[in-house]
Amino acid sequence: QVQLQESGPGLVKASETLSLSCHVSGGSISSGTSHWGWVRQPPGKTLEWIGSMYPTGSAYFSPSLKGRIDISKDTSNNQFSLRLTSVTAADTGVYYCARIQCFSPNCPFDLWGQGALVTVSS
Amino acid sequence: SYVVTQPPSLSVAPGATANLSCAGSNIGTKNIHWYHHKAGQAPAMVFSYEYVGPSGIPERFSGSKSDNTAILTITSVEAGDEADYFCQVWDDSSDRVVFGGGTKLTVL
Repeated sequence: QVQLQESGPGLVKASETLSLSCHVSGGSISSGTSHWGWVRQPPGKTLEWIGSMYPTGSAYFSPSLKGRIDISKDTSNNQFSLRLTSVTAADTGVYYCARIQCFSPNCPFDLWGQGALVTVSS
Repeated sequence: SYVVTQPPSLSVAPGATANLSCAGSNIGTKNIHWYHHKAGQAPAMVFSYEYVGPSGIPERFSGSKSDNTAILTITSVEAGDEADYFCQVWDDSSDRVVFGGGTKLTVL
């Protein structure tokens, strides 16, 4: 079955760039009827959508984070990655990658990774 | 921007029915999805009005919606249902995924 696993540094300095990858096993990120997304949860707060990427590599982002985000794919390793620039303490949280069930943004996140805790230090 | 409101907490006895609400302007016209999130685990989809969820979701989970409110109903609540429950929609007007604030379900 399809599984997702986040990886990346757990500590990032303020003003630097947060980089995370999501490795997908059991299915290809470049085909099928799904697309892929990133969601985060700051401590004590609700889930916050970051952005999503289609199998083609085309992506769409949260308006509140646009300008700081990039989501890209690495087909050879069957993974997709998040880059968030100019981080501050407000970017601290658990970052989840997830599969979106179909090609529309209306579709649910039907499979999630375990999450990666990222702390931004001053 | 679009706001989705959930009560912060709900407590129910084992075996009872839990009704978790999710309110938003004209939310009944949107595709709405529900997730539960247990401490230390990944969030998991538990119900969608429009899409089929992953296999293994108990039939105890069902939903209804009206103009401005969506309800997730969990019948015969078990201790294992204790979790944070989030609803989620796509807001066309702002082109963003919106999550509710979440409801912490406690099984007494």
